[in-house]
Amino acid sequence: GAVVSQHPSRVICKSGTSVKIECRSLDFQATTMFWYRQFPKQSLMLMATSNEGSKATYEQGVEKDKFLINHASLTLSTLTVTSAHPEDSSFYICSARGVENTNTGELFFGEGSRLTVL
Amino acid sequence: GENVEQHPSTLSVQEGDSAVIKCTYSDSASNYFPWYKQELGKRPQLIIDIRSNVGEKKDQRIAVTLNKTAKHFSLHITETQPEDSAVYFCAASSYSSASKIIFGSGTRLSIRP
Repeated sequence: GAVVSQHPSRVICKSGTSVKIECRSLDFQATTMFWYRQFPKQSLMLMATSNEGSKATYEQGVEKDKFLINHASLTLSTLTVTSAHPEDSSFYICSARGVENTNTGELFFGEGSRLTVL
Repeated sequence: GENVEQHPSTLSVQEGDSAVIKCTYSDSASNYFPWYKQELGKRPQLIIDIRSNVGEKKDQRIAVTLNKTAKHFSLHITETQPEDSAVYFCAASSYSSASKIIFGSGTRLSIRP
């Protein structure tokens, strides 16, 4: 199956700093990427949908200025948590869909990034 | 938008018995229903999916059923084994919502030896 790589897998930062998480599709072109957030023992909450070359569409309640998403190429999307605070600590997971899966709906997930804000 | 409800939140079954997890969805336009298995700290893994043009799909010990009229779908795991212990998520997607996948709340399945 298709491979999606996410980096870093773990990151610890100080409150007030910004953190960038990368999501790459390694063997296919991802026309759409989704960013999810997962709290301990909870479900995956969709944060935003990004299409290559256009602005991300954010879900209700997600601050676009707080969580900057860039999908500059067909193989890379980035999520930047700006001015991070302890409440931003969470597990962030990206997923990607290629052109050939647009109609099938199948998603491929990255490994996830665990962010801890001190 | 789409809303997916999942039950039960926790499920404990004896090894060898069957486990059933049920989900309902709200958007009648949803046409793709994947099931994911997630182990602690790892990415969700697709275990089976079903599309709205079929009512049932089976893959070895795993099967999924879909009732479009009632807008519910279920995951069935037979002959459960210890390695089936994990959190399982149902999800739904439709073309009308930019094909974004909305997840249920998850079921923590424990297999008792």
